[in-house]
Amino acid sequence: EVQLVETGGGLIQPGGSLTLSCAASGFSVSSNYMIWVRQAPGKGLEWVSLIYSGGVTYYTESVKGRFSISRDSAKNTMYLQMNSLRAEDTAVYYCARGEFSTYDEYYFHYWGQGTLVTVSS
Amino acid sequence: QSVLTQPPSVSGAPGQRVTISCTGSSSNIGAGFDVHWYQQLPGTAPKLLIYRNSNRPSGVPDRFSGSKSGTSASLAITGLQAEDEADYYCQSYDNRLTGSGLFGGGTKLTVV
Repeated sequence: EVQLVETGGGLIQPGGSLTLSCAASGFSVSSNYMIWVRQAPGKGLEWVSLIYSGGVTYYTESVKGRFSISRDSAKNTMYLQMNSLRAEDTAVYYCARGEFSTYDEYYFHYWGQGTLVTVSS
Repeated sequence: QSVLTQPPSVSGAPGQRVTISCTGSSSNIGAGFDVHWYQQLPGTAPKLLIYRNSNRPSGVPDRFSGSKSGTSASLAITGLQAEDEADYYCQSYDNRLTGSGLFGGGTKLTVV
């Protein structure tokens, strides 16, 4: 059974750092397209970062240079290292596994339960 | 502001049919990329509802259906039930942008 469990959220001061983890079971993180999606309070879904099975990574503009996505095949876990956190980074962060649709497009069948990151002094 | 435009809210009475639109452009839906739909109940993670425009994952009732035409897509819900009250998001790909996580702004469905 495919399962994703996020951990690592919490209250952090502006300018601080936090690392989120997405532990997977039932499949290999390293062999799949994986994504971090966040949802600010009362707002919609926003993709944050993604990693292809081949290791190529991308970031949404607002987090470039501050966030870093990675994975550990031995632990079958994906990470999101978040530095220089801002109030606007406050959100529930979800990880999800991509399913190939067409061309370079993926959709997301399996999601974690989410972990809340609150950036506040 | 999302590249994919959805109405902020729609409503319907139990048993009725409602549709939620997702309007894109020639660089995403109009370019032939697939549209996928998600349902998000309050306080829960998004759930895949429709993939590749019109396909339902196992377990999703056939009351939910998706379609695509030109630069737009639609999600239709027939026989509306109270438990359908949720936020709905469309998702597609845009060949001018990076990443497949291009979500619409979301639509709040209220069952009145």
